[in-house]
Amino acid sequence: AQSVTQPDIHITVSEGASLELRCNYSYGATPYLFWYVQSPGQGLQLLLKYFSGDTLVQGIKGFEAEFKRSQSSFNLRKPSVHWSDAAEYFCAVGPLGGGGSYIPTFGRGTSLIVHP
Amino acid sequence: GAGVSQSPSNKVTEKGKDVELRCDPISGHTALYWYRQSLGQGLEFLIYFQGNSAPDKSGLPSDRFSAERTGGSVSTLTIQRTQQEDSAVYLCASSARQGFTEAFFGQGTRLTVV
Repeated sequence: AQSVTQPDIHITVSEGASLELRCNYSYGATPYLFWYVQSPGQGLQLLLKYFSGDTLVQGIKGFEAEFKRSQSSFNLRKPSVHWSDAAEYFCAVGPLGGGGSYIPTFGRGTSLIVHP
Repeated sequence: GAGVSQSPSNKVTEKGKDVELRCDPISGHTALYWYRQSLGQGLEFLIYFQGNSAPDKSGLPSDRFSAERTGGSVSTLTIQRTQQEDSAVYLCASSARQGFTEAFFGQGTRLTVV
C-alpha cells in the first residue's frame, strides 16, 4: 500500500529565510508525486508535480522539489520565504495508472509559520 | 465552470440529522474525489468516481455515508444520522482523466455537528 510521511507537523521560519519541507513516500513503483498548498479557509492548490524525467521540478510561487528515488523522498524547497507563504502544505503520492488504484494518498500536512 | 464549486460552504446540523453536500466539478472532468479533512489531520479518502464506472467506495467510514454522481457531473455526498465525529471539512476534487494526474480542489464544506 502506498503511504506518505511528512515528519514535520509545524515549521517556523523567518521571512527571507530558506525553506525545506520533507516528504517521504512508500510506493511499489515509480509514483506520481505532488505538493499542494492550503491557505486558511481555502481548498488545496497544486504547487508542483513529478511524473517522470528531470528529478528537479519547478512549481508556482517560486517553489521547487526534488525527487530522490534512493531516499524515497520528494522535499519541497524555496530559497526565500515570503509572509504570504504561511499555509498548510501537503505532499501526495498517486498511482502510475494501469491496473492499479487511482486513489492518491496525502500526508498529514506541514503547517508553515513565517515570522517577520 | 471555472473551478470546482462546493456548497454549502458551511453547514451546522444537529446530531442525528441527515446532511447533503454538493460538488460541481470542472466541466468535462471525468474523475471526481471526495476527501474528509479533520482538525489537525491529513486528507482522508472517502470515495472516487470515474466516468460511468462503479465508484470506489472503499474509503467511506460507515454505511451512514453515501455518494452519487448524476450524469457524470454533479456529485452529492450524504451523511445520515450525523454524529459529532463527522464534524470536518469535506473536500471535493476533480481531474480531467483517469488517474490522479492533476486534481483541482473545491474550497470545501465545513460541517459542524452539534
